[in-house]
Amino acid sequence: GENVEQHPSTLSVQEGDSAVIKCTYSDSASNYFPWYKQELGKRPQLIIDIRSNVGEKKDQRIAVTLNKTAKHFSLHITETQPEDSAVYFCAATGKNRDDKIIFGKGTRLHILP
Amino acid sequence: NAGVTQTPKFRILKIGQSMTLQCTQDMNHNYMYWYRQDPGMGLKLIYYSVGAGITDKGEVPNGYNVSRSTTEDFPLRLELAAPSQTSVYFCASSWSSGGGVYNEQFFGPGTRLTVL
Repeated sequence: GENVEQHPSTLSVQEGDSAVIKCTYSDSASNYFPWYKQELGKRPQLIIDIRSNVGEKKDQRIAVTLNKTAKHFSLHITETQPEDSAVYFCAATGKNRDDKIIFGKGTRLHILP
Repeated sequence: NAGVTQTPKFRILKIGQSMTLQCTQDMNHNYMYWYRQDPGMGLKLIYYSVGAGITDKGEVPNGYNVSRSTTEDFPLRLELAAPSQTSVYFCASSWSSGGGVYNEQFFGPGTRLTVL
């Protein structure tokens, strides 16, 4: 079955700098890769996703890149702000309707003042 | 739309007690999920359902049971509570799991359970 590895588990960056979180997946049939953000004490919420027919997607300060050959995808946050402090989860799922979504273990991002 | 709602928000159980965590969604989603999140850890799938009357085990089903008699409701039953079940429990729903579109999972606010 699918396995999703996420690195690093903890990341601290200076406010204004960029943050990058990386994930690898094992099933080459996976074709949908969402990222969820969970603020302290809150529920996870989808912030961006990418499908296997594109290599990059941007939404303001966040972007996701996908390398299907290497089976890895990354979340990039530019010009980090205090409100970016949270736990970020990557995930992967396949092309069939009933394919289960598999989450990575999460990255705790600290934005330092 | 209220989205995904969960009750209760907090609960303290004694070892050996039982309880049901309620989850309801009003988005007409077929897929519903139960996750547990231990402190500082990731999401572990307990059970999921692909539609009314159909449920299946996830990664950590032991000590839990579920039922899905309607599209809207997906209760999680804890029998004989143990300290190892102390966790935050999230219910989620989605239109589909894999495939085409509408894969986004919408999470409820969570239930914080402590077993003493």
